[in-house]
Amino acid sequence: DIQMTQSPSSVSASIGDRVTITCRASQGVRSFLAWYQQKPGKAPNLLIYNASHLQSGVPSRFSGSGSGTAFTLTIRSLQPEDFGSYYCQQADTFPLTFGGGTKVEI
Amino acid sequence: QLQLQESGPGLVKPSETLSLSCTVSGGSIASSGFFWGWIRQPPGKGLEWIGIINYIGTTNYSPSLKSRLTISVDTSENQFSLILSSVTSADTAVYFCARWSTSSGFFDSWGQGTLVTVSS
Repeated sequence: DIQMTQSPSSVSASIGDRVTITCRASQGVRSFLAWYQQKPGKAPNLLIYNASHLQSGVPSRFSGSGSGTAFTLTIRSLQPEDFGSYYCQQADTFPLTFGGGTKVEI
Repeated sequence: QLQLQESGPGLVKPSETLSLSCTVSGGSIASSGFFWGWIRQPPGKGLEWIGIINYIGTTNYSPSLKSRLTISVDTSENQFSLILSSVTSADTAVYFCARWSTSSGFFDSWGQGTLVTVSS
């Protein structure tokens, strides 16, 4: 199985800050990498797919980059509604696997 | 607008069988380019992929659950189901159903999730 490792596991930031979350794969996943945001008690919400493609309706302050084994999710200017947990997911190889998550606190 | 809704018992006894259904509305489960999947999340923990199925019944399962898992589809009811046998407390989780895109491998629509507790 491909292991997905996220860092940091949690981050505390202020409104307007730039926040960067990293996801590393134990082997190459090309660009088959998605990012999700999850708020407490809710289902995950797709933010980014194919490593850098913004899902329809997602604010442009979110961006993704990377390929192969190293990926980054960046929130350009943190807003109050951006609190929650963020997960990466690889879709290059079955079984599909998720990172352990990054909790963003405002 | 596509909507998915999980249903099933919230409490299952150890060693018994967990059964959940996911009803799809606002779209057809027979849409090309998509599979339908299950993901779970133990309380306070991360996401775990369970498996996916398409409208003709082609499946792909998590190897760690494969021996206990069956996912099926009912196109006449526009729903798909999960059966997990011989459950233990480790199977306690919120279970989500979701639509999976075959082109890029992401889950783009999710149900709200349902908590299943394994306890006597």
